[in-house]
Amino acid sequence: DAKTTQPTSMDCAEGRAANLPCNHSTISGNEYVYWYRQIHSQGPQYIIHGLKNNETNEMASLIITEDRKSSTLILPHATLRDTAVYYCIVRGIFNDYKLSFGAGTTVTVRA
Amino acid sequence: GAGVSQSPSNKVTEKGKDVELRCDPISGHTALYWYRQSLGQGLEFLIYFQGNSAPDKSGLPSDRFSAERTGGSVSTLTIQRTQQEDSAVYLCASSLNRGGMNTEAFFGQGTRLTVV
Repeated sequence: DAKTTQPTSMDCAEGRAANLPCNHSTISGNEYVYWYRQIHSQGPQYIIHGLKNNETNEMASLIITEDRKSSTLILPHATLRDTAVYYCIVRGIFNDYKLSFGAGTTVTVRA
Repeated sequence: GAGVSQSPSNKVTEKGKDVELRCDPISGHTALYWYRQSLGQGLEFLIYFQGNSAPDKSGLPSDRFSAERTGGSVSTLTIQRTQQEDSAVYLCASSLNRGGMNTEAFFGQGTRLTVV
């Protein structure tokens, strides 16, 4: 059973914020939300992760709802280089090593 | 470079031959993972190492696949008697393990294996 649900695809305009939703309604208290992306023909790239507080780094912001059943990855100023498949993954805190990649969201940034 | 390094980047082999794929993890990372990605497909977990031990080999598709890790660093994935369905990109990742917690994993660029 997939632990996360993401839209199959989305478009966004260059220079605008891209908001990528993810549902993880069965997440447990000891599971993180991780985001990775995979640009064509490259290995997956770590973006950000969080437990319950919102997180921000140089790449993106992660907003997690209070009930932790969903989250949104925000790319503040999308560029053409952000075109990629974005994966939302739930992963346990302790003794959980696998990253279970689903189909992700194919994000296309258009000029 | 400080990232995960994989070699070769591309490998073309004849059906029935053995191949070895190499992964150099980030220095100090005790956890190491192998995944594969067939054309147009998602990432499929193969094996997980913690140090030199592999507590989870559940993703290896058949007994033709094996992996080892020496010195808690370099890992080699070996595929014996390759078949055409083994054609894929093989990805390696590594992460720190702090007090039982595996931190974020960083991936290499992969080895593209083509079996002809």
